Amino acid sequence: NAGVMQNPRHLVRRRGQEARLRCSPMKGHSHVYWYRQLPEEGLKFMVYLQKENIIDESGMPKERFSAEFPKEGPSILRIQQVVRGDSAAYFCASSPRQGVYNEQFFGPGTRLTVL
Amino acid sequence: KNEVEQSPQNLTAQEGEFITINCSYSVGISALHWLQQHPGGGIVSLFMLSSGKKKHGRLIATINIQEKHSSLHITASHPRDSAVYICAVWGNTGNQFYFGTGTSLTVIP
Repeated sequence: NAGVMQNPRHLVRRRGQEARLRCSPMKGHSHVYWYRQLPEEGLKFMVYLQKENIIDESGMPKERFSAEFPKEGPSILRIQQVVRGDSAAYFCASSPRQGVYNEQFFGPGTRLTVL
Repeated sequence: KNEVEQSPQNLTAQEGEFITINCSYSVGISALHWLQQHPGGGIVSLFMLSSGKKKHGRLIATINIQEKHSSLHITASHPRDSAVYICAVWGNTGNQFYFGTGTSLTVIP
């Protein structure tokens, strides 16, 4: 059973470009969480999705960021018109069910560098 | 102020030493997790607990709900334990984790 997959592992973008980060949850997992880890800072929650639904996006910046988890395919975190401050490691995690007692399994992360 | 505070921020130990990492939180929680992040960046969940104590190999995690405090202990530490240890709490009013900034542990042979 493959773990959570994220790609690309490293992504370099110039200011103003778009960044698309992909997350394939573990088999059988229908809940996906995205987190951001800024340099020298802790992880911060961004968004929680179930298949075709955004459950909680309270941690997402209001502009330029969007996330989806379609019925088929990976979850996508999209950052439009990237700025240097978006440079960070972006982690996704998946769990099989909703609920606080369900362990989250983390992907290896995508390291975004904005030049 | 961060909802989750960890101490110490950095810790260096000699191989074989007993290590304690502390976590205090200010929000009501449903569960607390201890995570391990290796130098390569990957994150592994070590423990999930809502009361009492759990043990896995050389690792022990405890939580005191009344005092809003948890500790992670490593017995007989080893250089391969070198990593960042992160405390995360699941708040009881929403769907998200609150993370501490991590404790960077280095175990010297």
